[in-house]
Amino acid sequence: AAGVIQSPRHLIKEKRETATLKCYPIPRHDTVYWYQQGPGQDPQFLISFYEKMQSDKGSIPDRFSAQQFSDYHSELNMSSLELGDSALYFCASSIQGYEQYFGPGTRLTVT
Amino acid sequence: AQKITQTQPGMFVQEKEAVTLDCTYDTSDPSYGLFWYKQPSSGEMIFLIYQGSYDQQNATEGRYSLNFQKARKSANLVISASQLGDSAMYFCAMREGDAGGTSYGKLTFGQGTILTVHP
Repeated sequence: AAGVIQSPRHLIKEKRETATLKCYPIPRHDTVYWYQQGPGQDPQFLISFYEKMQSDKGSIPDRFSAQQFSDYHSELNMSSLELGDSALYFCASSIQGYEQYFGPGTRLTVT
Repeated sequence: AQKITQTQPGMFVQEKEAVTLDCTYDTSDPSYGLFWYKQPSSGEMIFLIYQGSYDQQNATEGRYSLNFQKARKSANLVISASQLGDSAMYFCAMREGDAGGTSYGKLTFGQGTILTVHP
């Protein structure tokens, strides 16, 4: 069965650089979520999209932005990276109201 | 206030035995959903089981069952016949506003419980 695809799987950036993370949801899923999981922490919700419109926003820094495109894939753009942005970034997708399926995550390291 | 509380930072269980991972939650929303996810050391998040607040019966999925006690606001995960491959971090999560499958709400996670299965 098709799963959520995230790219890249690993990313190393320096402070003040920018990064773009991509997410391809499971086909026919209408909702995409982004979560950030710091080392040894639980995942924290960043932002979600339903049918290409932003549906909810969590603790996402102003330096981050995201969008969902016409083909339903989503991108998380991160600028002016800080050391504290080093984390595992998950994308999840669902059919509205049903369980969320997570991608494998992108491990971002900021040096 | 913490919405999801997992009080067991770590649990140990012998292979083939059953284990219960605790989860309590706090919400004033009458409609919510409770989820359990498994995170192996490789990092991916694997959906295990779901319980809706209006479900009359406890959810089961293979070796996983959810002991849902609504009045006590608890949603414990029971893993029967533990296997070595069950060793992982387990997260309990809640989604509020879950009425009639119309919610697209975010998940709020607990702190997680690391389960270690001994041979």
